[in-house]
Amino acid sequence: GENVEQHPSTLSVQEGDSAVIKCTYSDSASNYFPWYKQELGKRPQLIIDIRSNVGEKKDQRIAVTLNKTAKHFSLHITETQPEDSAVYFCAASDRGSTLGRLYFGRGTQLTVWP
Amino acid sequence: AAGVIQSPRHLIKEKRETATLKCYPIPRHDTVYWYQQGPGQDPQFLISFYEKMQSDKGSIPDRFSAQQFSDYHSELNMSSLELGDSALYFCASSFLAGGRNNEQFFGPGTRLTVL
Repeated sequence: GENVEQHPSTLSVQEGDSAVIKCTYSDSASNYFPWYKQELGKRPQLIIDIRSNVGEKKDQRIAVTLNKTAKHFSLHITETQPEDSAVYFCAASDRGSTLGRLYFGRGTQLTVWP
Repeated sequence: AAGVIQSPRHLIKEKRETATLKCYPIPRHDTVYWYQQGPGQDPQFLISFYEKMQSDKGSIPDRFSAQQFSDYHSELNMSSLELGDSALYFCASSFLAGGRNNEQFFGPGTRLTVL
């Protein structure tokens, strides 16, 4: 099965700085890579996703890059704000035999200091 | 816009009891996924249903079973509960028949506590 690794496990930045979270995956069949933000005790919320036919996607302060050859993808948050503090999970899936089940990384606790 | 609904939101059970968790997917979504998230851990896939048929199975204990009904709602049945079953249980729904979309929308979760 797919194995997703995520680094770092914790990340502290000053408000206004950028934050980068990196993930690698093992299964070359994976073709969909979402990022979820989860606040304590709440549901994971999709913040951005990228498909394997695209190398980069941006949505305001958030961007994701994908390197299919190296099997890694990254989340970039610019101009961080205290409200960005949460746990961020990367995930990978494919629409083959597993019909889209998500394999999650172990999460990154992001803390943005005012 | 309608979201995924889960009930109950909180559940407290004793060891060896049974529990039933319910999930109502977003209207017109054809796929339901169940995930278990322990404290400080990432969500772990349990089982999924596509058009009311089991489509994939993950690390779901034999003590657990699930099904999807004709109205597309799904239930996760858990028997002989153990302390280690205490976790957040999320249901997510998606629309796969369109051939492309994989976005999964998560419900608010059911917090199960086993005493």
